[in-house]
Amino acid sequence: DAKTTQPTSMDCAEGRAANLPCNHSTISGNEYVYWYRQIHSQGPQYIIHGLKNNETNEMASLIITEDRKSSTLILPHATLRDTAVYYCIVRASGGSNYKLTFGKGTLLTVNP
Amino acid sequence: GAVVSQHPSWVICKSGTSVKIECRSLDFQATTMFWYRQFPKQSLMLMATSNEGSKATYEQGVEKDKFLINHASLTLSTLTVTSAHPEDSSFYICSARDGLTSGNTIYFGEGSWLTVV
Repeated sequence: DAKTTQPTSMDCAEGRAANLPCNHSTISGNEYVYWYRQIHSQGPQYIIHGLKNNETNEMASLIITEDRKSSTLILPHATLRDTAVYYCIVRASGGSNYKLTFGKGTLLTVNP
Repeated sequence: GAVVSQHPSWVICKSGTSVKIECRSLDFQATTMFWYRQFPKQSLMLMATSNEGSKATYEQGVEKDKFLINHASLTLSTLTVTSAHPEDSSFYICSARDGLTSGNTIYFGEGSWLTVV
């Protein structure tokens, strides 16, 4: 699976949009971009995933560049409860190997 | 999203004993389940992948005789830490693949804290 690069940490003011970047320049054509977050002492929570089109759900929006080499997760109105480590993971959907490999992620701190 | 439940949430056991952690997919059938371990201030480390009805595939460096994984049904996988030692104390997290979603989305349990004394 392609490797991803994320900033170690970011800060965001409560109520503002949080934009978390992720670089995945070696992504292959059949690989999806997944975003998870982990709030302290809990299991990771699925946020969103996409292949090449932008995606939106009740939690966030995912913007994938046209060349698919990078993406941005957008939390439109960050709250204090959004403080967590956010993981961007690239993984192929098909085949026999579905495992997710976690990097260090981005620690997002939402400030009051 | 889909729900994956782990039990127990936390457990304390004596050194040398075995402890079992259960992972259930509550509202979907999970052909594949995964077990992770996470030490404080570190990222999740994959331990093994299990497919229903077959033997688990362990990552390099993970002792299969120490961490027994059973995936007997499409909604249940268990991890048994045998002859536990203090260095096995960690946060254990399971996840399950929902093969009916686009991209085969994987959902995680709440995690189980194991403390070996």
